[in-house]
Amino acid sequence: AQSVTQLDSQVPVFEEAPVELRCNYSSSVSVYLFWYVQYPNQGLQLLLKYLSGSTLVESINGFEAEFNKSQTSFHLRKPSVHISDTAEYFCAVSAGSSNTGKLIFGQGTTLQVKP
Amino acid sequence: EPEVTQTPSHQVTQMGQEVILRCVPISNHLYFYWYRQILGQKVEFLVSFYNNEISEKSEIFDDQFSVERPDGSNFTLKIRSTKLEDSAMYFCASSGGVWWTQYFGPGTRLLVL
Repeated sequence: AQSVTQLDSQVPVFEEAPVELRCNYSSSVSVYLFWYVQYPNQGLQLLLKYLSGSTLVESINGFEAEFNKSQTSFHLRKPSVHISDTAEYFCAVSAGSSNTGKLIFGQGTTLQVKP
Repeated sequence: EPEVTQTPSHQVTQMGQEVILRCVPISNHLYFYWYRQILGQKVEFLVSFYNNEISEKSEIFDDQFSVERPDGSNFTLKIRSTKLEDSAMYFCASSGGVWWTQYFGPGTRLLVL
């Protein structure tokens, strides 16, 4: 069975500072990994995903995440955050062999960007 | 941009009552899901639905829960006899040709009194 742990429930950071949101997973099979973002009063939006290939994946708004198999991690980073990045971020995992789409989510990390 | 919609946004019900949560997935999507998030807890998978049948369900999804795609556009989650512990935010999601790009609705907040 898969599980996901997000080590920080809240991450306060000043605007234009770098940020890292941590995610560790456990699985006995190969996995697909995802980061979702939830802005207030909205649904979850897919930010980026790792399926295979390059271990560094990027989103269109400057976030990146690196799949590290040996450390079973998929940390999310951004070199310079904006006020508009304030949101809840969820890490999720799915079994690579799954064809049902079941996602296992972490607890979420609230990113609070301060001016 | 197409989006998943859910109605109602909030629902208050009495314990033991039946509730139906409605979702309109993105047109021409093939895979449909329900998740829930109890306040302060993780988002939990409930059920996935493909080709008019359940493809996977979690332990949470017991006989009190059912899903239906009644008319080719709506996707509903029914809870037959609600319990206090069913209070949560319920998210619907859909995906097209590839299951891993799931589009989520804004959620229905269900409160069982």
